[in-house]
Amino acid sequence: SAVISQKPSRDICQRGTSLTIQCQVDSQVTMMFWYRQQPGQSLTLIATANQGSEATYESGFVIDKFPISRPNLTFSTLTVSNMSPEDSSIYLCSVEVTGKGTDTQYFGPGTRLTVL
Amino acid sequence: AQSVAQPEDQVNVAEGNPLTVKCTYSVSGNPYLFWYVQYPNRGLQFLLKYITGDNLVKGSYGFEAEFNKSQTSFHLKKPSALVSDSALYFCAVRVDSNYQLIWGAGTKLIIKP
Repeated sequence: SAVISQKPSRDICQRGTSLTIQCQVDSQVTMMFWYRQQPGQSLTLIATANQGSEATYESGFVIDKFPISRPNLTFSTLTVSNMSPEDSSIYLCSVEVTGKGTDTQYFGPGTRLTVL
Repeated sequence: AQSVAQPEDQVNVAEGNPLTVKCTYSVSGNPYLFWYVQYPNRGLQFLLKYITGDNLVKGSYGFEAEFNKSQTSFHLKKPSALVSDSALYFCAVRVDSNYQLIWGAGTKLIIKP
């Protein structure tokens, strides 16, 4: 498994500003993922972040709005840019850990973002 | 299109009774199936996964899940529910070597004392 921390755990931001969320894992991992989740609902993948390469974004998400950095094998950041109330959500990072048979994703505790 | 269905938005069970949270999937390829649990204001925790072999998989906190290929199902079960099992449960599937997970909508499990 893996121990993953996220900062901040929650934040309240003003419309038009940006917030950078940090994700730290206790071991080196190749693949990291960023998800968005409305409370009580399912997860939507924003992007996949591999160290040393550009992040791969899912349909509906663009780099200008959600720039991602992956400077090393234990750390990543997601920035939510030019925020609007529609960006209010829980943002989760996850990492893929190689395991028996198939790899498993482990998740951080999430960042709860409210945009006013 | 590949999909995962959790047909029940909410499941209510009395403490001490057995519980089942249902999951069915529709994919093209070899499925790897996962269950995660999310407690209030927390991230997702991995419970168990099915790869190959024994259709009954045991996981954390006394949970188990049964893979049924003919019914394309992977229902989560526990023989005796605890109030502390109350949480949101997600089923997910990975197909072959694709790293992406396909997620179900989630089932809220409520265990009443």
